[in-house]
Amino acid sequence: EVQLVETGGGLIQPGGSLELSCAASGFTVINNYMNWVRQAPGKGLEWVSLTYAGGTTYYADSVKGRFTISRDNSKNTLYLQMKRLRDEDTAVYYCARATMVPQNGRGFDVWGQGTTVTVSS
Amino acid sequence: SYELTQPPSVSVSPGQTASITCSGDKLGDKYACWYQQKPGQSPVMVIYEDTKRPPGIPERFSGSNSGSTATLTISGTQTMDEADYYCQAWDSSTALYVFGTGTKVSVL
Repeated sequence: EVQLVETGGGLIQPGGSLELSCAASGFTVINNYMNWVRQAPGKGLEWVSLTYAGGTTYYADSVKGRFTISRDNSKNTLYLQMKRLRDEDTAVYYCARATMVPQNGRGFDVWGQGTTVTVSS
Repeated sequence: SYELTQPPSVSVSPGQTASITCSGDKLGDKYACWYQQKPGQSPVMVIYEDTKRPPGIPERFSGSNSGSTATLTISGTQTMDEADYYCQAWDSSTALYVFGTGTKVSVL
């Protein structure tokens, strides 16, 4: 079964760091275009970051310089390292798979269940 | 930055047709995707590449994209279709994915 399972969320103080993990099963992250998407409480979806073969990465302006996306191919797991967290980073964080380059319009066909990050003092 | 604008809400009677628009500069030159999200659940893709349905998505969901507007149409809307819907596109000029503002569909 194709599945994504996120872990690592929690309560963190402003300015702190946190790392999210997304374990994939039923497919390999190395052969796909892996994304993080977040949703603040009561708000819409916000794309956060993308990584694909060769280590290519992209980031939303709101997280650039603070968040780092990476993969461990041996563990078939996607990560999001988050630093200098702000109140506005509070959200449910989803990992999601795309199977082709973004320009091809395939979209995100598999989503995890999400993990909640709360930034608060 | 690139923006995609959707109406905040759409109301439809059961069995009728719901149309949800997504507007963005030259959106027709890009591919649009659509996602359905029910309360407390993860999003589910219902349309990709403007018009295509993933496996398992009912035929009553259809999409189009031309000019500056992409449209998701739900024909014969059912109560189970009540959800938030988001459009999405890739902006090559900024190398960013963009989601629309979201539309709450109510089936009354």
